[in-house]
Amino acid sequence: GENVEQHPSTLSVQEGDSAVIKCTYSDSASNYFPWYKQELGKRPQLIIDIRSNVGEKKDQRIAVTLNKTAKHFSLHITETQPEDSAVYFCAARPVFYNQGGKLIFGQGTELSVKP
Amino acid sequence: DAMVIQNPRYQVTQFGKPVTLSCSQTLNHNVMYWYQQKSSQAPKLLFHYYDKDFNNEADTPDNFQSRRPNTSFCFLDIRSPGLGDAAMYLCATRLDSVLAGVDEQFFGPGTRLTVL
Repeated sequence: GENVEQHPSTLSVQEGDSAVIKCTYSDSASNYFPWYKQELGKRPQLIIDIRSNVGEKKDQRIAVTLNKTAKHFSLHITETQPEDSAVYFCAARPVFYNQGGKLIFGQGTELSVKP
Repeated sequence: DAMVIQNPRYQVTQFGKPVTLSCSQTLNHNVMYWYQQKSSQAPKLLFHYYDKDFNNEADTPDNFQSRRPNTSFCFLDIRSPGLGDAAMYLCATRLDSVLAGVDEQFFGPGTRLTVL
């Protein structure tokens, strides 16, 4: 079945450094790739997303890149701040599930930004 | 303003005692999802409604049922909660439309279920 692998599972960086989280997906027909940030005890919140017809998208300190050939996409956070500390989930939407919009989630990355 | 509302935020139930979790939305979205999320894990889709059409995930236990009486409300019923059902239950919504389809799923704040 469809699968999304996410690495690393934990990531610790110093404030001001960059953080990169990588995901690979199995269904080459997937067409939508969101990234969610989840703070402890709170709901997942969409921070950035990308569609399969775009290779890169940026929003201030956050960027996502997509390599369809290799079937992987990455989250880049620059100038990290302590408030970036959270669990980050990537997801992919297989096109077969386009109508329902089912997302396949990665396992999550716990990011810790040290002051 | 809250767009996806879940009640209660915290629910304690006894082993085997049926429980119902509620989700409501003010977005008029036609798709609603129920996820189960255990500690340190990704959300796991239980089922979703596309309008009134119910779509069950293959590995969702029969112990979990859902109702969607109208566009705004969706309920998750756990018929006989076991200790393994203790988790955060997240409701999410999405607008799927040929004219103005939206990719994003909007999550509610979740209901934390404890089973004693």
